[in-house]
Amino acid sequence: DVVLSQSPLSLPVTLGQPASISCISSQSLVSGDGTTYLHWVQQRPGQAPRRLIYNIFYRDSGVPDRFSGSGSGTVFTLRINRVEAEDVGIYYCMQGTHWPPYTFGQGTKLEIK
Amino acid sequence: EVQLVATGGAVVQWGGSLRLSCELIGFTLDESDIHWLRYAPGKGLEWVAKIKSDGSAKYYVDSVKGRFFIFRDSSLNSVFLHMNSLRAEDTGVYYCANLDLWGRGTPVTVS
Repeated sequence: DVVLSQSPLSLPVTLGQPASISCISSQSLVSGDGTTYLHWVQQRPGQAPRRLIYNIFYRDSGVPDRFSGSGSGTVFTLRINRVEAEDVGIYYCMQGTHWPPYTFGQGTKLEIK
Repeated sequence: EVQLVATGGAVVQWGGSLRLSCELIGFTLDESDIHWLRYAPGKGLEWVAKIKSDGSAKYYVDSVKGRFFIFRDSSLNSVFLHMNSLRAEDTGVYYCANLDLWGRGTPVTVS
């Protein structure tokens, strides 16, 4: 199974400051069709998870443009340009290239300082 | 409004069975592969099972193979997860999703 390692696991951020989460895969996530199925999922307290970014850098509908994804192969990053209060929650990277199973990183808990 | 609604979570005894339901609203089973996933504090998110949009194939995480079964009913526009031989480690909030969109979860507690 593909192992996704996230860092940091805890991310205290001042409002208005940037934040960055890293996700490293145990193997390349480039699929046979050339697509890299690496996604980012947000889970706000008490809410259902929500996909923010798919295939490395495409934002889902309604996702603010302060969120951006980058990376390739085995190393990926989620960046938040200017953190807002509503961004508090747990962020997961997820891969859909080598499945089953689909796998997630351990999660990064973002909180406001 | 397009959404998925998961229901059926409950407190169940170790070794017991439970069936979760996921109703698709605003779109049909034929349009999406549907997944079941779960969240447990301290364990994070875990993918559990998937059924293809045409129902032709089903997939499971190793830890539930032979105990959980995913199936669908087109007349109800719903996907189900039947869970047998439940263990403490199956405790969590279960979500159905097509990965673009996730429904609100339904809690399962195995005691």
